Amino acid sequence: DAKTTQPNSMESNEEEPVHLPCNHSTISGTDYIHWYRQLPSQGPEYVIHGLTSNVNNRMASLAIAEDRKSSTLILHRATLRDAAVYYCILILMDSNYQLIWGAGTKLIIKP
Amino acid sequence: DAGVTQSPTHLIKTRGQQVTLRCSPKSGHDTVSWYQQALGQGPQFIFQYYEEEERQRGNFPDRFSGHQFPNYSSELNVNALLLGDSALYLCASNRGGGKETQYFGPGTRLLVL
Repeated sequence: DAKTTQPNSMESNEEEPVHLPCNHSTISGTDYIHWYRQLPSQGPEYVIHGLTSNVNNRMASLAIAEDRKSSTLILHRATLRDAAVYYCILILMDSNYQLIWGAGTKLIIKP
Repeated sequence: DAGVTQSPTHLIKTRGQQVTLRCSPKSGHDTVSWYQQALGQGPQFIFQYYEEEERQRGNFPDRFSGHQFPNYSSELNVNALLLGDSALYLCASNRGGGKETQYFGPGTRLLVL
């Protein structure tokens, strides 16, 4: 069964880069990798997604390993507002686009 | 442009009762998915609706049912509530049967006493 594995929590200092890892060794060739984050008392918010190539947007960068069995979400300069639970998710293209959620990484930002 | 909206925001019920939660998708979206999120856990997929039909379902009992209306809004119904049904219920919407990025509502917090 497809699944993702993430560290339970990570700490970082404000204004420094943060690298959030995710393992998805069971990923198949057509599955997309999505990242969402969830702030306290809110619904999850889309961050970024990719298939094979590294991706950048205004929120973050996504680095995908060459074998696609792992990926890293990069926040280039973390602020206190980035404190949230970050979820690494697989979108199974061959299973009606089913989402496979990891347990999430709680990111703590220290001022 | 309104995002995904859910109602009510909070709800308290007692065991055995029935509850209906509502979701309006983001403008232009036709697919609605429902998730249950227990405290401290990641969201668990309940089911997805597209073209007014349930397309896929997670590992939830038949007590959980849903509906999608012609305007793409959706309802989640839970019968015979159990204490373990206490959770945040999230609705997400996207287009085209689920292929595109999902946008989530703020959720409905359900407490079963």
